[in-house]
Amino acid sequence: KNEVEQSPQNLTAQEGEFITINCSYSVGISALHWLQQHPGGGIVSLFMLSSGKKKHGRLIATINIQEKHSSLHITASHPRDSAVYICVALEEYGNKLVFGAGTILRVKS
Amino acid sequence: DSGVTQTPKHLITATGQRVTLRCSPRSGDLSVYWYQQSLDQGLQFLIQYYNGEERAKGNILERFSAQQFPDLHSELNLSSLELGDSALYFCASSSRDSNTEAFFGQGTRLTVV
Repeated sequence: KNEVEQSPQNLTAQEGEFITINCSYSVGISALHWLQQHPGGGIVSLFMLSSGKKKHGRLIATINIQEKHSSLHITASHPRDSAVYICVALEEYGNKLVFGAGTILRVKS
Repeated sequence: DSGVTQTPKHLITATGQRVTLRCSPRSGDLSVYWYQQSLDQGLQFLIQYYNGEERAKGNILERFSAQQFPDLHSELNLSSLELGDSALYFCASSSRDSNTEAFFGQGTRLTVV
């Protein structure tokens, strides 16, 4: 079992839909990152969370430390949101980063 | 533009060779992270440097090594290259040791033939 599990692996949505991507982890963490990787390969760091909730434009990320779970939400999805979304846990001890396998999102117009 | 610069963007080399990938972090960032993304393994953390010192180690092979120089740029050295080393190599930087947002470079695509 991977230390960081993402679901779903693949997601196809219609433009305008509300999207949720989930990340569960089994290790103790000091922070969790959400990354977006575009089809061209470039990676953008979306959020870094250690508690609560963060919002940036149409993107919202939440984390529940007790339940070891984080979610990334996209409101009013758009085809340009099509990308791979990767959850990354920063282990509490040792500074090691553990990556989820990624969620491939495709938003159709 | 993240402010993190990686060179070269593309590299094609033969098995057995040695290459050096370079990363210039954002101005003021002390931490540099290296990652490998291959088709079968996904994105993997290799190693982190903070202010010139190795801070954390991930799944980095013994054939690979890295260092961070006094001007904070970092180099990833890959030696005795194998076909399986073909991958995208990303560098990221952050301002502090940990628990801060990281900014990614565009990556170096290495093809070993």
